[in-house]
Amino acid sequence: DAGVTQSPTHLIKTRGQQVTLRCSPKSGHDTVSWYQQALGQGPQFIFQYYEEEERQRGNFPDRFSGHQFPNYSSELNVNALLLGDSALYLCASSMRFLEEQFFGPGTRLTVL
Amino acid sequence: AQKVTQAQTEISVVEKEDVTLDCVYETRDTTYYLFWYKQPPSGELVFLIRRNSFDEQNEISGRYSWNFQKSTSSFNFTITASQVVDSAVYFCALRRGAQKLVFGQGTRLTINP
Repeated sequence: DAGVTQSPTHLIKTRGQQVTLRCSPKSGHDTVSWYQQALGQGPQFIFQYYEEEERQRGNFPDRFSGHQFPNYSSELNVNALLLGDSALYLCASSMRFLEEQFFGPGTRLTVL
Repeated sequence: AQKVTQAQTEISVVEKEDVTLDCVYETRDTTYYLFWYKQPPSGELVFLIRRNSFDEQNEISGRYSWNFQKSTSSFNFTITASQVVDSAVYFCALRRGAQKLVFGQGTRLTINP
């Protein structure tokens, strides 16, 4: 049984560029949440998708957007990248939004 | 507002010692959930435990134990007879119902051989 998978593992971008990160949830899970973890900090909630709609959103600007597909996989898009967007981006999946969240290995984004 | 505080930034002990990681939380809700996650160097957050606010029973799982005290808003985590493989960053987190997880800053635990 595959767990949560994320791609790519690492990514290097320059300021002003756009990036798309991908997440496949654990089998049987239908809810995907995205978190940003800056170095030395705890993860910060970005948003959550369920039934292909954004259900909750954290305190992140509109440059951060997402999508959930019919197969429950999800994308996180970040436009106009800033140096401060450099972080580990974690995807978590759960069975409906009430259950425990299981995390993927993350995508390490570096913005130069 | 919800908040989780892990006052211990880093802890270093020698193998086989017992170690306790502290977690203090703030919430106005009467119904909430508390979590502990482990983050090894690989980066993936590993779920360890979930407790709901109505269940103050302490829990033991092998060398791991958790002490939940609503009176002091604390949810502490103890590792008994620590091992090098326990070295990781540990996060305490709080969730209200179906809402987002709110994490503490984490405690970096180093177990020295």
